[in-house]
Amino acid sequence: AQSVSQHNHHVILSEAASLELGCNYSYGGTVNLFWYVQYPGQHLQLLLKYFSGDPLVKGIKGFEAEFIKSKFSFNLRKPSVQWSDTAEYFCAVNAANNNDMRFGAGTRLTVKP
Amino acid sequence: EAGVVQSPRYKIIEKKQPVAFWCNPISGHNTLYWYLQNLGQGPELLIRYENEEAVDDSQLPKDRFSAERLKGVDSTLKIQPAELGDSAVYLCASSPDRGVVGANVLTFGAGSRLTVL
Repeated sequence: AQSVSQHNHHVILSEAASLELGCNYSYGGTVNLFWYVQYPGQHLQLLLKYFSGDPLVKGIKGFEAEFIKSKFSFNLRKPSVQWSDTAEYFCAVNAANNNDMRFGAGTRLTVKP
Repeated sequence: EAGVVQSPRYKIIEKKQPVAFWCNPISGHNTLYWYLQNLGQGPELLIRYENEEAVDDSQLPKDRFSAERLKGVDSTLKIQPAELGDSAVYLCASSPDRGVVGANVLTFGAGSRLTVL
């Protein structure tokens, strides 16, 4: 089965700083890639997804992620974070031919006002 | 649309007691997932259903955990007997069938937080 690793456990930034959260996956076949976000006290919700096509995908709230197939990576970026981006971010992957969705351990982002 | 509904939201029990969690997925979503989430970690798959069939239960500790999805809609997850290490959040999620718009995108419920004393 596929697996996901997220490099950073906890990231602390000041408002307006740029963000990049690392995500690598292991799977030999075609994959779908996702970033989910969990704001304090809320459900996990989809931030963005990649199925095929342009490897640079844009999601909600100014987030984007780039799929680099040769590096098995799907890093999340935002040019300028806001205090309201404080949340836990999870990278997820499933094989394109099934619904088996696996998650990384998550990265907690704290944005200081 | 109500979203994925889970109950109870919180449950506190003593070890060796049984506990059950219930999930109502989004209408029309044929795939249903149960995940376990420990504090500071990502969701870990316990079981995945396609309609009423459990297609992946390899991570479900079958000595104490059981799940069912009668009629391919609602699902229950049971632990009997509960152990201290079972304290976690139990998440339910659903997604449409493959080939349907939105397939592979999971919608999560709020989770059921279990505390075993």
